[in-house]
Amino acid sequence: DAGITQSPRHKVTETGTPVTLRCHQTENHRYMYWYRQDPGHGLRLIHYSYGVKDTDKGEVSDGYSVSRSKTEDFLLTLESATSSQTSVYFCAISESKDRGRSPLHFGNGTRLTVT
Amino acid sequence: SQQGEEDPQALSIQEGENATMNCSYKTSINNLQWYRQNSGRGLVHLILIRSNEREKHSGRLRVTLDTSKKSSSLLITASRAADTASYFCATFTSGTYKYIFGTGTRLKVLA
Repeated sequence: DAGITQSPRHKVTETGTPVTLRCHQTENHRYMYWYRQDPGHGLRLIHYSYGVKDTDKGEVSDGYSVSRSKTEDFLLTLESATSSQTSVYFCAISESKDRGRSPLHFGNGTRLTVT
Repeated sequence: SQQGEEDPQALSIQEGENATMNCSYKTSINNLQWYRQNSGRGLVHLILIRSNEREKHSGRLRVTLDTSKKSSSLLITASRAADTASYFCATFTSGTYKYIFGTGTRLKVLA
């Protein structure tokens, strides 16, 4: 398995509180992604990064922010958690050296429950 | 939404049978990839097909791509109980760094 660690693996938090999820990689890959997975929706892209301090929005970015201050870490922050953000969050990385022909490698996910 | 769709949503077959799942997408693509997810785990890459390819094989997997119809299919031959998982297609589009996933097919292979 690619060296990707997501933390925490599980978290329960209350509505209105900020939450930060961490993705750490040891592969030195340039591209990093945050997805959320919900029943009936598959995986939806929240934010992604194409380099240190270079990030962009995905399909469902409202209510989320990200930061990447070094290659190995990509942080996802829920600024004020809501019940609709209860989900499983996956981090993925890619070398993507050649127009997306490198596959994505996924972490094992963070299960977040907002009460 | 840019998200693609897969059908069927769920598929149940007997061990030894073939399983076919389909993916439709909405935009022009550079390539299409298929991933597998075992329950509670992250996705694992299976196979990639480029936009200028029509068919690709890898072991018991066969993938086809029809860019005129914006669709792809994944065939798993001689299925095994261990193939039980969810399968997702993902598209990559030139000019972006995004991989956009379909909604997935849940496959159950009965022993």
